[in-house]
Amino acid sequence: AQRVTQPEKLLSVFKGAPVELKCNYSYSGSPELFWYVQYSRQRLQLLLRHISRESIKGFTADLNKGETSFHLKKPFAQEEDSAMYYCAPGPNAGNNRKLIWGLGTSLAVNP
Amino acid sequence: ETGVTQSPTHLIKTRGQQVTLRCSSQSGHNTVSWYQQALGQGPQFIFQYYREEENGRGNFPPRFSGLQFPNYSSELNVNALELDDSALYLCASSFGSGSVNEQFFGPGTRLTVL
Repeated sequence: AQRVTQPEKLLSVFKGAPVELKCNYSYSGSPELFWYVQYSRQRLQLLLRHISRESIKGFTADLNKGETSFHLKKPFAQEEDSAMYYCAPGPNAGNNRKLIWGLGTSLAVNP
Repeated sequence: ETGVTQSPTHLIKTRGQQVTLRCSSQSGHNTVSWYQQALGQGPQFIFQYYREEENGRGNFPPRFSGLQFPNYSSELNVNALELDDSALYLCASSFGSGSVNEQFFGPGTRLTVL
């Protein structure tokens, strides 16, 4: 199975502090990884994907094959970043591949 | 551009019954994936349909089945409901079945099995 794990269920930081949400994956090959976010009372939505190497809302995530990690980082957290964040493998493109999302990390940014 | 819609919003069933959940994909999308999200858990992949054929399946028993129609809308059917099937069922659509394609999620259907 293509599994990702998020070790922190809850992360609480103060506004302006750096934030890092951890994600590790446990499968070999070329993983395709995404970060999805769910704000209160909104749908799950894509935050960023590793292949784009982009920065969205100040967040970045680098794929580290040596550490098998895809941590999400932001140098200065804002209150509006408070949400549920999920690390996820890409949509299935093959046969009988089992995609296991992380359990999610709830980020609370305090004023 | 119309987003992903799901129906019904909420559903209550009893053990042993059967249920059908529906999903309309976003305009222009030909791929639909279904997920089960139990309370406090991340979404778990059930299966994906691409151009009306199943294109991958997660670790769910055969009583979870699906369909995709020519207009790319989709159904998730669950037979012989069990209490553990109580969850939020999410549908996501994308263009193409490739792993790098962004998925757009619907609001979900909350299923309660009594």
